[in-house]
Amino acid sequence: EIVLTQSPATLSVSPGERAALSCRASQSVNTNLAWYQQKLGQAPRLLIYAVSTRATGIPARFSGSGSGTEFTLTISSLQSEDFAVYYCQQYNNWPTYTFGQGTKLEIK
Amino acid sequence: QVTLRESGPALVKPTQTLTLTCTFSGFSLTTSGICVTWVRQSPGKALEWLALIDWDGDKFYSTSLKTRLTVSKGTSRNQVVLTMTNVDPADTATYYCTRVPRYYGMDVWGPGTTVTVSS
Repeated sequence: EIVLTQSPATLSVSPGERAALSCRASQSVNTNLAWYQQKLGQAPRLLIYAVSTRATGIPARFSGSGSGTEFTLTISSLQSEDFAVYYCQQYNNWPTYTFGQGTKLEIK
Repeated sequence: QVTLRESGPALVKPTQTLTLTCTFSGFSLTTSGICVTWVRQSPGKALEWLALIDWDGDKFYSTSLKTRLTVSKGTSRNQVVLTMTNVDPADTATYYCTRVPRYYGMDVWGPGTTVTVSS
């Protein structure tokens, strides 16, 4: 089973600054990686799929990059509504999926 | 507009069987490439993928839970049912159903249903 490790567990950033969240896979997932945002008490929301393609309605300040085993979600200028927990997910072994353990993005 | 909504009991006793229903609209599960999955989240924990049913009715399960899970199409064309046998307090979680096009992310989620396993 492919294991996804996200770092850091918690990231403290000021509004308006840039945030970079990391996701590392235990083996190559090619480009079969997605990112989700989850706010407290809400269902997750798809942000990015296929490493770098934004889902419908996702602002351009969210971007994804990487390949193979190393991936990054970057939020270019943090807005108040961006403080949440972020999960990466791989689907290289479709139709099975695994999620990372999450990174909490908090206000500094 | 694509929507999904989970329903089922809020409380079940250990060793019982849990049955959850996902009722969806705005898409058809017979459309090629369209699947419905179940994901759960224990309190304060990460997301855990459980099961998937695809447009052909083929079913796939998490390795760790496959002996206890069954996913199926419901009696209505717009429903998917997840059954989990022999539940344990460790199965206490919010259970989500999602739509997932093949080789895509889980693009639409239900609001989730919270299940507590306790005697």
